[in-house]
Amino acid sequence: AQSVAQPEDQVNVAEGNPLTVKCTYSVSGNPYLFWYVQYPNRGLQFLLKYITGDNLVKGSYGFEAEFNKSQTSFHLKKPSALVSDSALYFCAVRDPWTGTASKLTFGTGTRLQVTL
Amino acid sequence: DTAVSQTPKYLVTQMGNDKSIKCEQNLGHDTMYWYKQDSKKFLKIMFSYNNKELIINETVPNRFSPKSPDKAHLNLHINSLELGDSAVYFCASSRTGDYGYTFGSGTRLTVV
Repeated sequence: AQSVAQPEDQVNVAEGNPLTVKCTYSVSGNPYLFWYVQYPNRGLQFLLKYITGDNLVKGSYGFEAEFNKSQTSFHLKKPSALVSDSALYFCAVRDPWTGTASKLTFGTGTRLQVTL
Repeated sequence: DTAVSQTPKYLVTQMGNDKSIKCEQNLGHDTMYWYKQDSKKFLKIMFSYNNKELIINETVPNRFSPKSPDKAHLNLHINSLELGDSAVYFCASSRTGDYGYTFGSGTRLTVV
């Protein structure tokens, strides 16, 4: 069964510093990997995805993520954090081999707190 | 606006009542989902429909019954509501062959 682990409940970073939110995955085949962000009382917004190709994926709001197959990781990064980046971040994996029954499985979420 | 829209946004009801949540998408997607987000923010899939056919049915009490009248709509009916049903319910949609989901803004259900 596919699964995602986000080992940190919360990440604290000062504005202007680089940030990393960690994610590791487990899936039987080649994974489809995603990052979503949830602001308070809002739905999930898509940030970026890795399907195939370049291991470094660029997404919305200056975020990027690096796919590392040997470490089964897909960490989210941003070179310079903003206070407005403070939100709940979810990593998700989708097993492409299950056809229409394919589903997104989410990690437990990491709360990012960016302070001045 | 192209989107996934859910109604109502908030729902407060008493134990034992029956309630429905509606979801509509105008993105032309053929697959729709219901996810439940509990108080610890954990997201878990409940159901998925592809072209009106139920394809994913996770371990959910049979008090929960999804209905998809067409591929643009997926409703969730809940019978005999319990305190533990309190959560935020998210609808989402995707297109077969595409990769990510588009989520609605959620329905916060509070059972008192």
